[in-house]
Amino acid sequence: QKEVEQNSGPLSVPEGAIASLNCTYSDRGSQSFFWYRQYSGKSPELIMSIYSNGDKEDGRFTAQLNKASQYVSLLIRDSQPSDSATYLCAVIRGGFQKLVFGTGTRLLVSP
Amino acid sequence: DAGVIQSPRHEVTEMGQEVTLRCKPISGHDYLFWYRQTMMRGLELLIYFNNNVPIDDSGMPEDRFSAKMPNASFSTLKIQPSEPRDSAVYFCASSPDPKYQETQYFGPGTRLLVL
Repeated sequence: QKEVEQNSGPLSVPEGAIASLNCTYSDRGSQSFFWYRQYSGKSPELIMSIYSNGDKEDGRFTAQLNKASQYVSLLIRDSQPSDSATYLCAVIRGGFQKLVFGTGTRLLVSP
Repeated sequence: DAGVIQSPRHEVTEMGQEVTLRCKPISGHDYLFWYRQTMMRGLELLIYFNNNVPIDDSGMPEDRFSAKMPNASFSTLKIQPSEPRDSAVYFCASSPDPKYQETQYFGPGTRLLVL
C-alpha cells in the first residue's frame, strides 16, 4: 500500500464546474496535509495546507480533511481552463518532518 | 529574487557515465532539498540539508547517489555510474525556516535521460 494514494486521472470537468480531487493516506499519525499544483513541465507550487479536521477555504479552493477516514480532498469551484494541471497531495507522517507525495491527479478543464 | 537555480535544465547521457546536477538556493534559505520525480513513483525526497549539513538522506536510492553542500549557496547531486532507471526530473527546493513544509520554493528542475 502506498503511503499517499491519488487517482491518476485525468479528471475532466467543464469550465465553471466544481472539480473534486481526492487523496488517502496510510499513516494514522500524519499531522499535516498539503496540496500542490504542477503545470506540465513546471515545478510544484503550494496552493493549500490543512492541519485539522474540517474545511479550509481560500478563494476558489477548499481543502477538506477527515482524519478518521484518512482522507483529504481539494475542491475547486468555478473551474477555469487555467486550472488544468496535476494536483499533488502531500502528507507529513507522524514523527517525521519530511513530505511524502502522492503521484498526482491530472485535472483537465474544458472551455 | 532569482529563485532557486538549477543546472543543467536538460541532461542526456549514456549508461555508466557520471552525472552532476547543480543547485543554487535562494539567498538566506537555511534548508535545501533534493527531489526526484517519475511517473511511477511520483515526487520523492532524496536528501535534505540544514545549514549545509545533511539531515536525512534516507531517500537516496543507493550508493551511486551522493549529495554535497559545500557552502550556503551551492549544492550538487551526483550519480556515478548512471543507469537508465535514473531517468527522471530532479528538483531542488529551498526554504527559509523550520516550518519548511509550507515554505518550500522549487527550482525549475533538471530533466535527466540516461540511455
